[in-house]
Amino acid sequence: NAGVTQTPKFQVLKTGQSMTLQCAQDMNHEYMSWYRQDPGMGLRLIHYSVGAGITDQGEVPNGYNVSRSTTEDFPLRLLSAAPSQTSVYFCASSYSSGGDSNYGYTFGSGTRLTVV
Amino acid sequence: AQSVAQPEDQVNVAEGNPLTVKCTYSVSGNPYLFWYVQYPNRGLQFLLKYITGDNLVKGSYGFEAEFNKSQTSFHLKKPSALVSDSALYFCAVRALRAGNNRKLIWGLGTSLAVNP
Repeated sequence: NAGVTQTPKFQVLKTGQSMTLQCAQDMNHEYMSWYRQDPGMGLRLIHYSVGAGITDQGEVPNGYNVSRSTTEDFPLRLLSAAPSQTSVYFCASSYSSGGDSNYGYTFGSGTRLTVV
Repeated sequence: AQSVAQPEDQVNVAEGNPLTVKCTYSVSGNPYLFWYVQYPNRGLQFLLKYITGDNLVKGSYGFEAEFNKSQTSFHLKKPSALVSDSALYFCAVRALRAGNNRKLIWGLGTSLAVNP
């Protein structure tokens, strides 16, 4: 099993550009989520999904869109990049939205995004 | 409101010595508690969880954690530290009966450095 695959690993954007961060999992997990990790801020939830066709906002959703057309994929779209979106982005999936399965959340290896 | 505190930004320990990474929490009702580890340039990995039962929970890589309800703590421990344990450690919590709000609340992380 590949687990959670995130692409790209690194990206540099100019202010105002748009892009999509890809996330795919092959574990048949219903729950998928996007976090951003910033120094001193820990992990902050951007958006999450409890199944195909269902998405909801997390703590910091502004400037980001998501969709969940299949169980496997959960892309994160930056609509108009801003320097404040410079961060490391992690996708996570789980059998359970509460992360309380025997394996917890499975995280991807992250996308390091810089907006200049 | 639910919250998690990791009171130490950094913990230094000599190889072979026992290590403790502290976590305290505040949640309504009984908690689900989790520990995750993040190695450099990697995503988070699930270590262990507490839901109910024995207050001492054993997890991956020889780690264990002790749930203390009276002190609202869930400290991560290992009897003998390895240099390879050097990483960032995150504590997370959610309420046992959270209804639709099953999102995890994350601590800010503790950087563990194990010195040879």
